[in-house]
Order: sequence, then structure tokens, then C-alpha cells
Amino acid sequence: EAGVAQSPRYKIIEKRQSVAFWCNPISGHATLYWYQQILGQGPKLLIQFQNNGVVDDSQLPKDRFSAERLKGVDSTLKIQPAKLEDSAVYLCASSKRARDTEAFFGQGTRLTVV
Amino acid sequence: AQSVAQPEDQVNVAEGNPLTVKCTYSVSGNPYLFWYVQYPNRGLQFLLKYITGDNLVKGSYGFEAEFNKSQTSFHLKKPSALVSDSALYFCAVRVPFGNTGKLIFGQGTTLQVKP
Repeated sequence: EAGVAQSPRYKIIEKRQSVAFWCNPISGHATLYWYQQILGQGPKLLIQFQNNGVVDDSQLPKDRFSAERLKGVDSTLKIQPAKLEDSAVYLCASSKRARDTEAFFGQGTRLTVV
Repeated sequence: AQSVAQPEDQVNVAEGNPLTVKCTYSVSGNPYLFWYVQYPNRGLQFLLKYITGDNLVKGSYGFEAEFNKSQTSFHLKKPSALVSDSALYFCAVRVPFGNTGKLIFGQGTTLQVKP
């Protein structure tokens, strides 16, 4: 079974530029998550999709971050414009169901904003 | 506020000795609890979970964890540590409500197993 795929693995941009991350979840997984992991901290949920609908985006900085999951499969996360404090690893995860099943994580995209 | 605490930044054990990585939580209701492991430049890998039932749960690679409701703890254990167990371990909690699958993570504990 293929895992969660993310690209790119690494990205370096200047502040105020824009960047986009892509995620392909495990086949058949209805739930998709984006987490932000700042160095030395545990991951923090940015947004959760159930199929192509948003379940929780309460911690997404909506003035600069946006995410979509068209057709309920792949997802993209965008930052525009980026700030220095956005430097982090962005992890995508998916699960069969939201409540009682484990989430499977991709390798992440390491973003450095300079 | 809902939170997870991993009181030790780092745990050092000798290979072959038992290991314990501690986790306590503060949430309302009956939480679901998870342990994940992260190797360098890798994503998080699921180890085990507690949803309901037996308080002692067994997971991947010989790890187990015990749910203690009175102490609000979910410590990770392994009877005999391997050098290859050296990694960053995260405890996480999910409060089952509606369709939310949000995991709240602790700050992580680095496990160092020395030969």
C-alpha cells in the first residue's frame, strides 16, 4: 500500500513570496490533514478535510494560508505572502475515518523562509 | 485548554534495558490516545493507540503503553531497548467530537539508546 506522498521535500523562499505544497493521501482515505511542525515542537493542526469539505480550520492563519482538496483526493496548501515565522515542516496526513483511526503521515515539506 | 505533556526532553537508556517515555494529558471527556515515532528527515510513524477496552495496548516494534485514567497518563514502554529505537517520540490525544480527527501533540521526547 502506497503511503502519503508530498512534494516538494524542501523549499527555500524569500519573505513575502508565495509557495505551494502538494499532498496525495492514501487511496480510500476520506480524511486529510495538514499539520505545521516548528523545530523543537510537536505538530499543530492547520486544517482537516473530510472528503472535499473543511471540518476544522480554526488554527489556519487565513490571511495568508489557504488550502483546498478538489475532488476529495489530492490537496494543496498555499502560503501567500510568507513570513519568517512560517519556516517549519509541513506534514500531510490521511486516515480512513476521523475519530477512531490512526492518521498516516507523509515525509513532509521543509520550508525555509529567508 | 486541552494539552499533552511529555515531561522529559530526553531519555537515555542502555541497550537491553527497559525503557519508559512518559506522557500525561489534560482534556475533557474520554480521550483517544496515540504514540508516534519520528526518525530524522522522516514523517511520523504510528506506533499504537488506545481507543477503549484493555488499558494495556500493544503496538509496533515491541512497544506497549498503559492507559491510566486516574493519573491521566499514557506512558510508552518497551521491555528491552534496541539501539535502533533511538528517535523522537510524540504522544498525542484526540478528543472524539463530531467528525473531528484533530490530534494534539506533546512537544516530543528524544530517546537515546546506547550500546
